[in-house]
Amino acid sequence: ETGVTQSPTHLIKTRGQQVTLRCSSQSGHNTVSWYQQALGQGPQFIFQYYREEENGRGNFPPRFSGLQFPNYSSELNVNALELDDSALYLCASSRQGQGNGELFFGEGSRLTVL
Amino acid sequence: AQSVTQLGSHVSVSEGALVLLRCNYSSSVPPYLFWYVQYPNQGLQLLLKYTSAATLVKGINGFEAEFKKSETSFHLTKPSAHMSDAAEYFCAVSDPTGGGNKLTFGTGTQLKVEL
Repeated sequence: ETGVTQSPTHLIKTRGQQVTLRCSSQSGHNTVSWYQQALGQGPQFIFQYYREEENGRGNFPPRFSGLQFPNYSSELNVNALELDDSALYLCASSRQGQGNGELFFGEGSRLTVL
Repeated sequence: AQSVTQLGSHVSVSEGALVLLRCNYSSSVPPYLFWYVQYPNQGLQLLLKYTSAATLVKGINGFEAEFKKSETSFHLTKPSAHMSDAAEYFCAVSDPTGGGNKLTFGTGTQLKVEL
C-alpha cells in the first residue's frame, strides 16, 4: 500500500512569488486535505478536496487555492507569498464517507519565504 | 466552533515513568477526538481515536486515552515511557456531522524522555 507522498520536501521562495506543492494520496483514498503548520504550532486546516472540488475551507485567504485530479492527487497553490506563509504544509488523504476523521499524512513540504 | 487546549507545551518524564499528556476540548456537538504523534521532520501519525464507542480507547505503542464528557477531557497516557516516545503529540477534534474529516488541532505537547 503506497502512502501519502509530497513534493518538494523543502523549498525557498521570496515575497510576492507563487508556489505549487504536490501531493499523491494513499491508494484507495479519494479525499485530500491540506494543513499549514507554522513553527511551534499545531496544523491548521486549509481546505479539503473531494471529487475534484473544494469540499470545506478553513480561515485562509483566496490566494490559497488547490486542485484535485482524477487520480485523486492534489496541488496546493499559494500566490503573492508573504513572510507568514513560511510553514510546513501537510497533505492528508482519507476516504470520504468513512467519516471517522482518520487522516493519513505525508511528511510535508517545508516552505521558507524570504 | 470546536477547539482543543493542550496543557503544557513541554513535558519531561524519566524512562519507565507514567506519561500523561492533557487535552481538553470544546464542542457544541458530540465530537470525534484524536491523538496524533509527530516525530522530527515527519508527518503526523494517528495514535488513537474516539468516535463515540468505548470511552477508554487503546492505541498504538501502548498509549491509551479516556473520553470524559463531564470534564470535556481526552488525556493521553502510557504506563511506562520509552526513549522512542520522545516526539510531539497533538490532540485534535472533529465534528462528525460535518463528515468528521476536518480536524482542529491543539498547539501540541513536546514529550522528552530522560534516562
